[in-house]
Amino acid sequence: KNQVEQSPQSLIILEGKNCTLQCNYTVSPFSNLRWYKQDTGRGPVSLTIMTFSENTKSNGRYTATLDADTKQSSLHITASQLSDSASYICVVSHSGGGADGLTFGKGTHLIIQP
Amino acid sequence: GAGVSQSPSNKVTEKGKDVELRCDPISGHTALYWYRQSLGQGLEFLIYFQGNSAPDKSGLPSDRFSAERTGGSVSTLTIQRTQQEDSAVYLCASSLVEGWMNTEAFFGQGTRLTVV
Repeated sequence: KNQVEQSPQSLIILEGKNCTLQCNYTVSPFSNLRWYKQDTGRGPVSLTIMTFSENTKSNGRYTATLDADTKQSSLHITASQLSDSASYICVVSHSGGGADGLTFGKGTHLIIQP
Repeated sequence: GAGVSQSPSNKVTEKGKDVELRCDPISGHTALYWYRQSLGQGLEFLIYFQGNSAPDKSGLPSDRFSAERTGGSVSTLTIQRTQQEDSAVYLCASSLVEGWMNTEAFFGQGTRLTVV
């Protein structure tokens, strides 16, 4: 069964600190992995997409890594800001494609405190 | 429009009533998806449209749920005889082409449905 597990479920850190969110998956055959940011009361917004051949990709203060061998991804946030408070969702697609070719994690709820 | 628009943003309804949720996708996006997000749960796929046809309805949880899309644009998700377990945020997304492999899907802000 295709599964995406995210950890931690929730995280509270002080403004300016770094943090790392984890995503482990068992989706097969793997196509790509996306990290989404979902602000409270808003829809998810894509941060980055990782394909099989990519190990690291950065988007500003966000850096995603992918280890296709261990089926793990991480999202590292540097010098956190209050606006980073949100849910971060890991989404893995399998190469069967289609709308149901996606497996969503339950997300990590991140709170940045001043 | 500039983004995916959903209405209403919030809906409170009595158990047993019917509700209609609307999604207005990004202009030109042929693919449209409906998802449901319950409290503390991940996104649950409901239905997918390519143009006006729905090749995948596998996620609809019961026959009380139906959806249509007209003119390759606006979509309506209808829930009949609502139950309390239908309470959730209903998210709509659209993408330029079919499938998530090669393109990004853009989400609306969601409709928060509360059945009392």
